[in-house]
Amino acid sequence: SQQGEEDPQALSIQEGENATMNCSYKTSINNLQWYRQNSGRGLVHLILIRSNEREKHSGRLRVTLDTSKKSSSLLITASRAADTASYFCAQYSGGGADGLTFGKGTHLIIQP
Amino acid sequence: DTGVSQDPRHKITKRGQNVTFRCDPISEHNRLYWYRQTLGQGPEFLTYFQNEAQLEKSRLLSDRFSAERPKGSFSTLEIQRTEQGDSAMYLCASSLRGPSEAFFGQGTRLTVV
Repeated sequence: SQQGEEDPQALSIQEGENATMNCSYKTSINNLQWYRQNSGRGLVHLILIRSNEREKHSGRLRVTLDTSKKSSSLLITASRAADTASYFCAQYSGGGADGLTFGKGTHLIIQP
Repeated sequence: DTGVSQDPRHKITKRGQNVTFRCDPISEHNRLYWYRQTLGQGPEFLTYFQNEAQLEKSRLLSDRFSAERPKGSFSTLEIQRTEQGDSAMYLCASSLRGPSEAFFGQGTRLTVV
């Protein structure tokens, strides 16, 4: 089952603009991650934020985490056509023998 | 290429046939995960191996699904008596420390006709 939800489901912006995607989840987490998936391909890990962190940066990516609201956001600044992809948040609740729980994703289209 | 490798990349099969997919993890990774992704959805966790031991298999979708990792290296996922609803992308991931630091393969896309 999937417990996360990304918002919006689809986003289309002009190249150079910033893109913001949000993720909500239902249970307590150990950490939360964001992945990118180009059409029909595997997942590429972008960034991980732990439950005791509030903000993290990696290049043009900025991730925030609000555990009180059970939500996270991914900001991509100065978007490029190559950023066109689906973006997923995934939660890990700990426990050892378990996988990640993914949301449904946000499909981002960058218009040149 | 030292990443996670999956074979085949695409598989078309007739309903009722059995299919088997292979995953070769990154060589030093002892943890291996299988996920299923249907169209328009995020991946859904299926099963987990640590070395050759299958430590989580309750998420396998039905008893038609089974997975093995006989020598703690490559893994296979088998679907028996395939149904149209099995059409999906099957993703494999491997890691050293846990699911949060796993690397994903390119997936096997299964189409059941």
